[in-house]
Amino acid sequence: DAGITQSPRYKITETGRQVTLMCHQTWSHSYMFWYRQDLGHGLRLIYYSAAADITDKGEVPDGYVVSRSKTENFPLTLESATRSQTSVYFCASSPRQSSYNEQFFGPGTRLTVL
Amino acid sequence: DQQVKQNSPSLSVQEGRISILNCDYTNSMFDYFLWYKKYPAEGPTFLISISSIKDKNEDGRFTVFLNKSAKHLSLHIVPSQPGDSAVYFCAASEYGANSKLTFGKGITLSVRP
Repeated sequence: DAGITQSPRYKITETGRQVTLMCHQTWSHSYMFWYRQDLGHGLRLIYYSAAADITDKGEVPDGYVVSRSKTENFPLTLESATRSQTSVYFCASSPRQSSYNEQFFGPGTRLTVL
Repeated sequence: DQQVKQNSPSLSVQEGRISILNCDYTNSMFDYFLWYKKYPAEGPTFLISISSIKDKNEDGRFTVFLNKSAKHLSLHIVPSQPGDSAVYFCAASEYGANSKLTFGKGITLSVRP
């Protein structure tokens, strides 16, 4: 299906394990973003990417790693998960010539770290 | 320091009445302002936007007002409907900022039938 998808939708893991959240978009958008949503904090930017092989840190990058070898994919890896990384994670994309810098969001991944 | 502030965490209104959601910002370099709507277990969806060169933008029941001198914007929903019950995020962006958006914490709107 066209659009932006995230997998898995729900994930439970244990402290110290590595986990990767997947994001795939079919629009060939240049920009992609990872956010986390936590109560009392709204949406906070973790990492973003302006194009394949170009990534940069956002507001809360510690403990996360990203890569973007293909335009359509932007995986987010927690190298050693901690309880504080329990959150809902949203991936978003935006075309290079976007009015108002509008972003399009995926459905989210709810991650629980035990 | 939070650059986009939504100071009221929740708002409850009667169906048919007006809902007014407020947002303040501190960065005078912001050029674009957007509102997103989010239902539980779904991603945020774009609702309406406004450029800093305008003071009002209307789309059906939704109107956004921008007061640059006060660094304040508001979203008006008239008339409010139960299906409008959701979390509303205010976001702002600078021109050419790699499409990055800065979000507020969100306001939970409840529309009572």
